[in-house]
Formats: sequence, C-alpha cells, structure tokens
Amino acid sequence: NAGVMQNPRHLVRRRGQEARLRCSPMKGHSHVYWYRQLPEEGLKFMVYLQKENIIDESGMPKERFSAEFPKEGPSILRIQQVVRGDSAAYFCASSVLAANNEQFFGPGTRLTVL
Amino acid sequence: AQTVTQSQPEMSVQEAETVTLSCTYDTSESNYYLFWYKQPPSRQMILVIRQEAYKQQNATENRFSVNFQKAAKSFSLKISDSQLGDTAMYFCAFMTQSDMRFGAGTRLTVKP
Repeated sequence: NAGVMQNPRHLVRRRGQEARLRCSPMKGHSHVYWYRQLPEEGLKFMVYLQKENIIDESGMPKERFSAEFPKEGPSILRIQQVVRGDSAAYFCASSVLAANNEQFFGPGTRLTVL
Repeated sequence: AQTVTQSQPEMSVQEAETVTLSCTYDTSESNYYLFWYKQPPSRQMILVIRQEAYKQQNATENRFSVNFQKAAKSFSLKISDSQLGDTAMYFCAFMTQSDMRFGAGTRLTVKP
C-alpha cells in the first residue's frame, strides 16, 4: 500500500503563473487535508476535503487559492497568479475517516516563486 | 528513506497526571530538526516543541519536555500535569534542509 503521494516534489514558477499541486491519498482514504509550511514557521492548515466536497476551507486565502478532490483522480491545490510570498512547502495528508483520526502525510511539494 | 513512526494511535491520561508519547525516526542525515505538533479539533497545527539534533540538552517548554535519544533515534514527548485542553492529536515530525516527514499521529485524551 503506497503512502500518500505528492507531485511534483519541487515546483518553480515565475510571478503571475499558475501552480498546480497534486496529492494522491492512501488507498481507501477519502479525506484529504492541505497544509502550508512557510519558511521558519510551523504548519498552517488550509483546507479539508472529502471526495467532491470541501468540508472546511477556513485556512485558505480568499483569493487565488482553490482546492478540489474529484471523484476520480488526485486532490489538486491550485494557486493562480503566484507571488513570491507563496513560496513554501505544501503538505497533503489523508485519513480513512473524519478529521482527528490518524493522518498520513505526503512528502510535500516545495514551491519556489521567482 | 526517512521515516517517522508513532506506535501509539491512541492514549489517555487522567487530568494532572503525566503522559509520554513515543516517536522514533530513521535517517542517515546528521543535521536535522525534530518537532512535536498539536492538532486540536480546529485542525490548526500548533508547534509544541522543537529540538535541534546537534543539541544534547533536551528541549523543554513549560509542561512539555522531550527525551531525545539520538543514538536510538527516539524523540518522545512528556506532558506533565495534563490539562483537559491538552486533548488533541499529536504529530511527531522530522526535518532536514530538503525534506520533512511526519508520523501518523497519536490521539491523546485527557480525562477529568
């Protein structure tokens, strides 16, 4: 059973471009969480999704950021018109059941905005 | 591959008592950082304590302390005088310059 997979592991974008980060949860997991780790800071919760539903997006910036978890395929975190402040590591985690169950983290995607 | 293992999915403790959460890791790196994060129902990840691998002295933050055994690759969290507000998921994490890995978490319940 493969763990949580994230790709790409490293992503470089120029200001104004779009960034798409993918997360494939563990097999059998239908709950996905996205976190952002800014340099020198801790992890910050962004969004919690179940298949085809956004359950909690209280940590998502109101503009430029969106997330989805379609019925088929990976969860996508999309950042439009990236700015330098978006440079960070973005982690995805998945769980079998609702939040506060065991969460298995992916290796993260490191986004660098030039 | 670098891995982090939390062998206790769930633990409980009586209020005011002490509890220890286990964490082991595997790495070939010599410079790294270790963390314990607390995740209450709000889902925010709160940094509880941090340890630099090059420091022999165990980190302490108020009621939270760690037992860092570098040779054994063990990094346990001790919570003294447990409070109801300590009820949460606790994640152990390991970070190098280029990588960060998390354990699966331990759900701690503090009982009145």
